[in-house]
Amino acid sequence: AQSVTQLDSQVPVFEEAPVELRCNYSSSVSVYLFWYVQYPNQGLQLLLKYLSGSTLVKGINGFEAEFNKSQTSFHLRKPSVHISDTAEYFCAVSLFRAAGNKLTFGGGTRVLVKP
Amino acid sequence: DTGVSQNPRHKITKRGQNVTFRCDPISEHNRLYWYRQTLGQGPEFLTYFQNEAQLEKSRLLSDRFSAERPKGSFSTLEIQRTEQGDSAMYLCASSSGTSQNTEAFFGQGTRLTVV
Repeated sequence: AQSVTQLDSQVPVFEEAPVELRCNYSSSVSVYLFWYVQYPNQGLQLLLKYLSGSTLVKGINGFEAEFNKSQTSFHLRKPSVHISDTAEYFCAVSLFRAAGNKLTFGGGTRVLVKP
Repeated sequence: DTGVSQNPRHKITKRGQNVTFRCDPISEHNRLYWYRQTLGQGPEFLTYFQNEAQLEKSRLLSDRFSAERPKGSFSTLEIQRTEQGDSAMYLCASSSGTSQNTEAFFGQGTRLTVV
């Protein structure tokens, strides 16, 4: 079975500072990787995904993530955060070539951007 | 709004009562998923439909839980004899096509509180 670990449950950061959210996964087969954002009382919105190809993936709102197969990691970064980036961020995987798009999520990282 | 719609947004029920939630996916999407998210945790997969066929159920889905998707359109999730441990946000998502890498779009969720 696959699993996802988000190493930081909360990350406080000042506005315009960079942020990195760490994600490690475990799987016996190849996976697709995703980052979702959840604003208060909202559903999840896809930030970016890694399916194949270049290991550096760019997403919406200035976020990017890098897939590292040897370290089984998919860390999310943003060079300069805004107050509006305050939200909860979830890393997720789905199994390569498995039926459906069933996602396995990490526990989430709550980002609090301070002015 | 052509996104995934879930109703109701909030539900408070007494322990032992039955509840039913509805999900209307994006109209052309043939895949529909239910997830459960408890406070401070990432979403956990419950079940998955392709058209009207329920193709996978998690072990989290006890016999008190039943999901249907008649005619491959909207879906309902029923919980019988609710328990306090059922209190959670129930998220619905949909995706299109048969390829593995299509994005899942999430609804805003139904928050269930069992008192």
